Amino acid sequence: DAGVIQSPRHEVTEMGQEVTLRCKPISGHNSLFWYRQTMMRGLELLIYFNNNVPIDDSGMPEDRFSAKMPNASFSTLKIQPSEPRDSAVYFCASSWARGSSDTEAFFGQGTRLTVV
Amino acid sequence: AQKITQTQPGMFVQEKEAVTLDCTYDTSDPSYGLFWYKQPSSGEMIFLIYQGSYDQQNATEGRYSLNFQKARKSANLVISASQLGDSAMYFCAMRERRSGANSKLTFGKGITLSVRP
Repeated sequence: DAGVIQSPRHEVTEMGQEVTLRCKPISGHNSLFWYRQTMMRGLELLIYFNNNVPIDDSGMPEDRFSAKMPNASFSTLKIQPSEPRDSAVYFCASSWARGSSDTEAFFGQGTRLTVV
Repeated sequence: AQKITQTQPGMFVQEKEAVTLDCTYDTSDPSYGLFWYKQPSSGEMIFLIYQGSYDQQNATEGRYSLNFQKARKSANLVISASQLGDSAMYFCAMRERRSGANSKLTFGKGITLSVRP
């Protein structure tokens, strides 16, 4: 398996523009997580999905952020409009979980977003 | 309230020596999993070791072992025979397994480890 695939790896955009980050989880995994990492705030969980359904989006900073998972093999995180304070590394991770059993979360390489 | 607490400042260890990285957690869920990840300067997140709340023995993976003290709610990572390549940020994480739902994976703030030659 190729692992969790994120695109793009780097994104530089101007304030006010829409940004879409993409993630392909590992085949067979049923949990998907979006994290944001900054020096100041560390690794923050933004939202996670189980079986394509959003379970907890309490970490999404504000309405400018939205995430979708239309099927088991694809998810997007969208920021519209983007602001300089959104600059961070965004990670997607996936795992398998069922009842009291689960695997570790496998992380993508991350998308480094810079909003100027 | 913080679920995962990693309070150590930057840690230093001499090459070939052992080092312990501390992690305490907070949960009322009887079933949970604890994870440690390594993030080198290149940025990727690398899974190291896992401990289930019902596991009778402490987890071990090569040079990594987890000192799990359930009553104290601590899950410290022990790295034996440190190598220069162990220099990285280390994150402790927890996944609670509330009945009927798969819960989120929450990370601590991380600890920076530097291995001296």
